[in-house]
Amino acid sequence: SAVISQKPSRDICQRGTSLTIQCQVDSQVTMMFWYRQQPGQSLTLIATANQGSEATYESGFVIDKFPISRPNLTFSTLTVSNMSPEDSSIYLCSVDEGPMNTEAFFGQGTRLTVV
Amino acid sequence: AQSVAQPEDQVNVAEGNPLTVKCTYSVSGNPYLFWYVQYPNRGLQFLLKYITGDNLVKGSYGFEAEFNKSQTSFHLKKPSALVSDSALYFCAVRDLRGGGFKTIFGAGTRLFVKA
Repeated sequence: SAVISQKPSRDICQRGTSLTIQCQVDSQVTMMFWYRQQPGQSLTLIATANQGSEATYESGFVIDKFPISRPNLTFSTLTVSNMSPEDSSIYLCSVDEGPMNTEAFFGQGTRLTVV
Repeated sequence: AQSVAQPEDQVNVAEGNPLTVKCTYSVSGNPYLFWYVQYPNRGLQFLLKYITGDNLVKGSYGFEAEFNKSQTSFHLKKPSALVSDSALYFCAVRDLRGGGFKTIFGAGTRLFVKA
């Protein structure tokens, strides 16, 4: 199973600023995903990050707001730009090698509070 | 479209009693079903999965799940609950579109185990 390290684990940010969240995996993986989770709620997929190509965003999420980098097969970053209090949430990195009968693995999450 | 439903926001059970967390699914084709658990301030941890074969699947921490095709259900069970089982539980299904790499999560069920 993949071990995923996410940094920072939590942060309190001023509105209008940006925060970059890092996700490091202990093995090379093809597929990395970024999720948002309101406390106690379900997970919403933000985007899929593949190495060597642009991230694929889900409906309701745009690159200008959530730029993603994937410079290699073990690392990705998600930036939350021009933050507002509505961006306060938990952001989770996930890796999934497929095929369909395998499970996904998650980082411990980044709890973001925007004030 | 693939989806899962968790009809209960919260389940309360006394320690030592059996517990059930319900999940129903809607899929086209073969279902690839998963259960994850999330402890406070932690990422999601994989518990168990159903791909094919025996309808009763055994997983981590003494949990099991029963796949019922006629009822399109995949309920999570444990014969004897522990206080430490108190957490947020997610049922999930593979989205078979686009290669099947995405996971779709239910709304989550919060389990409270009372001593």
